Amino acid sequence: DAKTTQPPSMDCAEGRAANLPCNHSTISGNEYVYWYRQIHSQGPQYIIHGLKNNETNEMASLIITEDRKSSTLILPHATLRDTAVYYCIVRDSSNTGKLIFGQGTTLQVKP
Amino acid sequence: DTAVSQTPKYLVTQMGNDKSIKCEQNLGHDTMYWYKQDSKKFLKIMFSYNNKELIINETVPNRFSPKSPDKAHLNLHINSLELGDSAVYFCASSPRGKGSGELFFGEGSRLTVL
Repeated sequence: DAKTTQPPSMDCAEGRAANLPCNHSTISGNEYVYWYRQIHSQGPQYIIHGLKNNETNEMASLIITEDRKSSTLILPHATLRDTAVYYCIVRDSSNTGKLIFGQGTTLQVKP
Repeated sequence: DTAVSQTPKYLVTQMGNDKSIKCEQNLGHDTMYWYKQDSKKFLKIMFSYNNKELIINETVPNRFSPKSPDKAHLNLHINSLELGDSAVYFCASSPRGKGSGELFFGEGSRLTVL
């Protein structure tokens, strides 16, 4: 069911930017791109979402390509606490639109 | 104050037993969910309720029965537990409308069936 493709794992040095890519080539016009993360043994945590425009909040930035077939989540200054599994999800805008989690990317932030 | 709280956090039980997991949210959200995360770490949606009405019911054995007494509570009852039911169960809630893909998850309830 997952409509996104992410690399299974990535490393990042502490203090550097972490850029997590996601492909969603079959995304349709009314589908948003959502990012969540799950730190070990905790519940998933919402990070950010967007439709067409780039978005930024206190946690991260989301860059969506013009054709919307891919996106990148950017953690500008990764810390050890950002080590987690990051999920990229596409979801339609209806009230019953399901969040379908794929395998995600395991990001390891190293000192 | 915990936004989405689940009880119990850990549950160890024998095959064949019946057990319940409770979930409460104090965010005033209209929609609540149950997700299951198995040993391979896949998160799968099971159910969703919107204002006490079932709106998503994935292919889940009918031994699993959700109950929503009010919009702040969504409980999960499991009959005749099987080994394969061992997993972490996450409750979540979301507001109605444009932000309804922004889910707030609880800390999970780890169920172990022996």
